[in-house]
Amino acid sequence: SQTIHQWPATLVQPVGSPLSLECTVEGTSNPNLYWYRQAAGRGLQLLFYSVGIGQISSEVPQNLSASRPQDRQFILSSKKLLLSDSGFYLCAWSVTGPRGELFFGEGSRLTVL
Amino acid sequence: GDSVTQMEGPVTLSEEAFLTINCTYTATGYPSLFWYVQYPGEGLQLLLKATKADDKGSNKGFEATYRKETTSFHLEKGSVQVSDSAVYFCALYSNNAGNMLTFGGGTRLMVKP
Repeated sequence: SQTIHQWPATLVQPVGSPLSLECTVEGTSNPNLYWYRQAAGRGLQLLFYSVGIGQISSEVPQNLSASRPQDRQFILSSKKLLLSDSGFYLCAWSVTGPRGELFFGEGSRLTVL
Repeated sequence: GDSVTQMEGPVTLSEEAFLTINCTYTATGYPSLFWYVQYPGEGLQLLLKATKADDKGSNKGFEATYRKETTSFHLEKGSVQVSDSAVYFCALYSNNAGNMLTFGGGTRLMVKP
């Protein structure tokens, strides 16, 4: 069966520090991968999605970046965090093709102080 | 573009009360519709889905019917439990949006014993 792992689960970082959140998927090949952010009390904002290794599409201009160095690995990064980067970050995957169903990781809660 | 509108929360109910969370959508073509649930501190899980008009999705006592004429997909449950307390997201998928879901803003449900 397919599983998705996301870490770290909780992170407290000072403003201006770097960030790296990692997500891996097991049990499937060539998944579509996504990073979402959920700010406190708000809905989901799609940040990045990827349909293949090295292929990243950005939905929102920001100081975050994403990379997909391997088929089932998706990394969210920042060189310098801002206070507004605080939130709950969710990684998700879907099968290729028009199906629509997403499978989410457990999330990473980032607090920038 | 595609959009999903949900009733704003929080919705506060007593145990065994009837639940309705409204969801309406705007999309071209024939989207698939989903309800996701997010329990406290966790990622999202698919609750139910419907892929064509008049389909009824159901799971764990929750139901939603795909109403094309009213472009709605309201979530209902006849008798809620404290364990149903969570945030509920309505979402749609259409071929016009690539391989991405469009989410509503989420509705927080609080069930009191």
